[in-house]
Amino acid sequence: DAGVTQSPTHLIKTRGQQVTLRCSPISGHKSVSWYQQVLGQGPQFIFQYYEKEERGRGNFPDRFSARQFPNYSSELNVNALLLGDSALYLCASSLGRVGYEQYFGPGTRLTVT
Amino acid sequence: DQQVKQNSPSLSVQEGRISILNCDYTNSMFDYFLWYKKYPAEGPTFLISISSIKDKNEDGRFTVFLNKSAKHLSLHIVPSQPGDSAVYFCAASVPTNDYKLSFGAGTTVTVRA
Repeated sequence: DAGVTQSPTHLIKTRGQQVTLRCSPISGHKSVSWYQQVLGQGPQFIFQYYEKEERGRGNFPDRFSARQFPNYSSELNVNALLLGDSALYLCASSLGRVGYEQYFGPGTRLTVT
Repeated sequence: DQQVKQNSPSLSVQEGRISILNCDYTNSMFDYFLWYKKYPAEGPTFLISISSIKDKNEDGRFTVFLNKSAKHLSLHIVPSQPGDSAVYFCAASVPTNDYKLSFGAGTTVTVRA
């Protein structure tokens, strides 16, 4: 079975631009979470969506938004990019609402110049 | 705020010996703890977990110990193998926000032949 997939793998954007990252969960998984991992730190929780509804949001500005589609795939949007948004963005899926034992994708490496 | 702390950024161990990774937390509401392993260019993969009602959980070469009074947990890997060389993250969740994992900064383990 395919694991969590994310696209693109790498992305370079300029300050002020907007970016959309995509995630496809493991088949049958209804929950998708997004994390930001800055170099030298652990992943930081951004959002969780379950059954297409936002269930939780981390301490991130409103420039960050996300949505989940009927097929449970998800998009993360970041507007007005800042240099500090440069990070690895990880998507994780899980079977149910609970965040335990989430399965992570390989991530999208975003570089803002 | 960093509620989960891994104070040792790196650990070097000889093949066949024991690796001990430590993790401290500040939030007494955490009730579930997980360890993830991450190779370069891959997402974190779930390794082992422990509920706060237990003080030990074993899975093959991996054992996690939880000391609630000290707000401390550790991961023991015995015997260490070259394939164990990776970054290890400690993570935790609270029951009221069970969709969200709080991660430590990670410990890079290098197993020497």
